[in-house]
Parts: sequence; structure tokens; C-alpha cells
Amino acid sequence: DTAVSQTPKYLVTQMGNDKSIKCEQNLGHDTMYWYKQDSKKFLKIMFSYNNKELIINETVPNRFSPKSPDKAHLNLHINSLELGDSAVYFCASSQDGTSGGLAKNIQYFGAGTRLSVL
Amino acid sequence: AQSVTQPDIHITVSEGASLELRCNYSYGATPYLFWYVQSPGQGLQLLLKYFSGDTLVQGIKGFEAEFKRSQSSFNLRKPSVHWSDAAEYFCAVGAREYGNKLVFGAGTILRVKS
Repeated sequence: DTAVSQTPKYLVTQMGNDKSIKCEQNLGHDTMYWYKQDSKKFLKIMFSYNNKELIINETVPNRFSPKSPDKAHLNLHINSLELGDSAVYFCASSQDGTSGGLAKNIQYFGAGTRLSVL
Repeated sequence: AQSVTQPDIHITVSEGASLELRCNYSYGATPYLFWYVQSPGQGLQLLLKYFSGDTLVQGIKGFEAEFKRSQSSFNLRKPSVHWSDAAEYFCAVGAREYGNKLVFGAGTILRVKS
């Protein structure tokens, strides 16, 4: 059983299109995250949700909109895709990102979604 | 601002040799420290973590890391490298004060020669 699963694994699309990436975790975690890894392998957080509530929103264009229908899912919708959006997007989850014991702050990552904008 | 520095972009070691990957951080809070490994085309796997207590922590695959507060470092070590250890290694820092978001270093690519 995959703990944090992302779909699709690969996404190739044209500039200007709108696309979504889905993430699901079956770990019973309360907090989920989206990270972007650029072509130089630099990883940077984009968003974090705790129990469906947005708690981290880094400087990300408005074209990126996360949606959390329940605490096991955090989807990422991207409008009007640009060439610079090409990257690998990683979803992660942790048990409780804002309270509780220290071990709850371990983040578990999905396998990533490689987005290529042509 | 929080930052993590991994000074070595690439490191090449012979199989069976020892390994040390460096990580330094700048953080305005009590940090949690992590090392993750990423194999080509794969996601991130947690190797080990430090929250508090004993500053020498053991991880999976025979890795260990030592937290040195005075040097703001959390270097990763392995006494004997195996060819399967070839991958990219990321040091990351988090803190409850910053919502537990992880700040990553730029990564170190490890090559193992036989």
C-alpha cells in the first residue's frame, strides 16, 4: 500500500492549459504539503493544509490553487500553465504539523509528479 | 531568513570507503533536522531525523548524523558506502515556530565508484 500517492506521475501539456495534480494519503495524517522541485533539484514548499485549513502559503502565483476536500486529500490546480511551471511537484504529509509530540513532525513524501509544459 | 547549505554539489567515493555529507543551517528557532535521499526518478525517502536528545542519531541503511549546535551543522556519515547508495541527498530543517515547513538544502549528488 502506497502511503502518499500522487496522480498522475507524468503530465505533459501545452502552455495556457489548466491542469490538476491529485494527492492522497492513507496514513491518517492531519497535515499535507505541496513542494516544488525545479530543474536544479531545489525543493521549496508551496502550501500546507492542516485538517483542510490552509496554514502555509508561500509566495506562489495565484494561478496555483490547492484544494483539500478532506484531510486525506490535497489537490493542486494550476491555471494558465507557463513554461516556468515545468518541475516535479511533491506531495507530503505529517501526522500533526502544529501540535503534539515531536515524532508527528516527520513528513512522508509521494513519488512526485513530473510536469512538463511545452 | 531560514537557510540550509550543502556545500558539496557532487561527491564521489569508492565503494567500501567512508562518507561524510555536510549540512549547515541558519535558523531562528529550535530546529528539527532531517536527511532525505532521492534515487533517480523517485520520491524522497527519510534516512534519519533529529528532534532533541542524543545528538548522534542513527538512521536506515547504516547512516548516522551528528547534530552540532555550536557549528550549526548536521552532517551525514556512513562508515562503508555501497554502490546502491548512489543517489541525491537532501538535508532539511523544520521548526514548529514556522509551521513545520521544511527548508531544504540544494542537495548533494553521491557517486560511488567500484
